[in-house]
Parts: sequence; structure tokens; C-alpha cells
Amino acid sequence: DTAVSQTPKYLVTQMGNDKSIKCEQNLGHDTMYWYKQDSKKFLKIMFSYNNKELIINETVPNRFSPKSPDKAHLNLHINSLELGDSAVYFCASSPSEGEQYFGPGTRLTVT
Amino acid sequence: AQSVTQPDIHITVSEGASLELRCNYSYGATPYLFWYVQSPGQGLQLLLKYFSGDTLVQGIKGFEAEFKRSQSSFNLRKPSVHWSDAAEYFCAVVGIGTASKLTFGTGTRLQVTL
Repeated sequence: DTAVSQTPKYLVTQMGNDKSIKCEQNLGHDTMYWYKQDSKKFLKIMFSYNNKELIINETVPNRFSPKSPDKAHLNLHINSLELGDSAVYFCASSPSEGEQYFGPGTRLTVT
Repeated sequence: AQSVTQPDIHITVSEGASLELRCNYSYGATPYLFWYVQSPGQGLQLLLKYFSGDTLVQGIKGFEAEFKRSQSSFNLRKPSVHWSDAAEYFCAVVGIGTASKLTFGTGTRLQVTL
């Protein structure tokens, strides 16, 4: 009965590789998000989708591309990974204007 | 643009003592306000939220927070802390009409001594 799930939980990869993180929510929410938490625990929004439409796109390198195949899924694809991409990435979902529910996070380590 | 300040990076309290974590926000109108908790290696769990109405809101795990418009504050309180409350606490704000863009504070790390 997991509300917001992410896979994988851990991801270790080398610089230059391409990787994807998947997110699914079973709460019936319209809006989904991706956040990045850096090594100092600072959380910053990256993207937001409402009913599969991109509504927030913060200043994020073009190497990051979100994709929402349907309302319940929001995936994050990262091309040409760099050392600075190492972080914990959180997916979240919410009703159109309401509290956000977070997934368990994906810890990405780029070596 | 909205912003959130959590002035205390790290707080240590004894088990059974009371707790207050400070949060100040900057926004042109009354925003939606939230407190989240993050245990080590875990995701973020919503403790409580303020949208409108009663300025004292109750949350899970015995936490409460009070919205004070005059001080632009939304401080989190608990009358008696348990060792399991040790975690990172984040205050967050959403500006109404900003497409639910959550802006987080830098977090306060709570340590509980036995």
C-alpha cells in the first residue's frame, strides 16, 4: 500500500553514463514533482507535472529530462552524469493544491 | 519570491523536555505552510500543515505549530520530546497560485539526549 514509490533506492554509476529513476504514486493525485537534496540536506524543486503536463521547470541542466507517461508516473532521465549530480532525488505527489507526499528517495552516487 | 528561514541548524534537547523549532517565511500574502520530518536515510513525512482558519494546528506524533502572521512565523512545538523524535525537520512554504512550488528551509537537526 505504498503511496509514492521510487526505484531504484540506490544508484551508483560512473561519470558520462545515462541513468533513469522511476516514480509511481497510487494516491490518485494530479500533480507530481522531482526534488534534489544535496549533501547539506538542502531540498530544491526541479520539475513539476500536472496531468502529464510540465508546469514547473526550475533552472536545471538540459541533461535532466522528466517524462510523465500517465498521471501516476513521473520518471527522471539523466544524461552524461557528472560528479555534481550526486545527491538524493525525491519524487512527490499532491492534489492540485495541497500537501505533497514524498517517496523514499533515490541516492545517486556518481564516481 | 517566497523564502523560508530556519535559524537553528542544530538543536539538542533532553528526552521529556519541551521543544520549539523556529521558522520564518517571506511571502507577499499568506502562504500555505508545512512542517516535514526526515529520519536518517528516509524520505520526508508530513507532520502538519496550515492553509487557513485556526492558527494553531495539530499534527501527527504530538506536534503542533502556530501561525503568526504579524511575525511571519510558523514555529513547531512539542511538549515532551521522545528519543525517536531525533531527525531533521524542514519548514516549507507554498505561495498560493505558484503551481504548488514548495520552498524549503535549510532544516533543523534535532538531537535528543537520554
